[in-house]
Amino acid sequence: AQSVTQLGSHVSVSEGALVLLRCNYSSSVPPYLFWYVQYPNQGLQLLLKYTTGATLVKGINGFEAEFKKSETSFHLTKPSAHMSDAAEYFCAVSDRAGGYQKVTFGTGTKLQVIP
Amino acid sequence: DVKVTQSSRYLVKRTGEKVFLECVQDMDHENMFWYRQDPGLGLRLIYFSYDVKMKEKGDIPEGYSVSREKKERFSLILESASTNQTSMYLCASSPRLRVETQYFGPGTRLLVL
Repeated sequence: AQSVTQLGSHVSVSEGALVLLRCNYSSSVPPYLFWYVQYPNQGLQLLLKYTTGATLVKGINGFEAEFKKSETSFHLTKPSAHMSDAAEYFCAVSDRAGGYQKVTFGTGTKLQVIP
Repeated sequence: DVKVTQSSRYLVKRTGEKVFLECVQDMDHENMFWYRQDPGLGLRLIYFSYDVKMKEKGDIPEGYSVSREKKERFSLILESASTNQTSMYLCASSPRLRVETQYFGPGTRLLVL
């Protein structure tokens, strides 16, 4: 069965500092991996995804993530935090289950950006 | 612009009431999903549908049912609401062969008293 673990339910960074949100996955087959972002009072939107090919993937708003198979990780980074990055971030994994591709979400990490 | 809409942003119901949550997408997507979101638990899949009149149970289907009579509409039904169904409900849709790229609605926050 597939699963994801997000380390840290809350992360605080200063404006301009590096953002690092951690995600480890478990999957019996090569996974697809995603990061979604949820701004207050909104639904989730896709930030970036890894399917195959290049292990470093770039997303919207300057975020990127690197797929590391040896570490079963897919951490999300951004070099310099902006106030507008304050949101909840969800890591997700997908493999094939019962003939239909299922997406399993992590428990989320709330990012606070301090001015 | 891609759009998934949910019938209500906030809903207050009483224990035992039958509750309908409606979701409509305008992207001609085959797949539609219902999740509930709870603090510390993330998103959990209740039901999904990959075609009209088709449905599959997700991880937590107990106490819920769904209906998909038209491609663009996916309804979540709480047959007899209970207080432990107080939650945020999120609807999503995706193209048939791209389940991983889901488009979400804004959510319905349901309070069951």
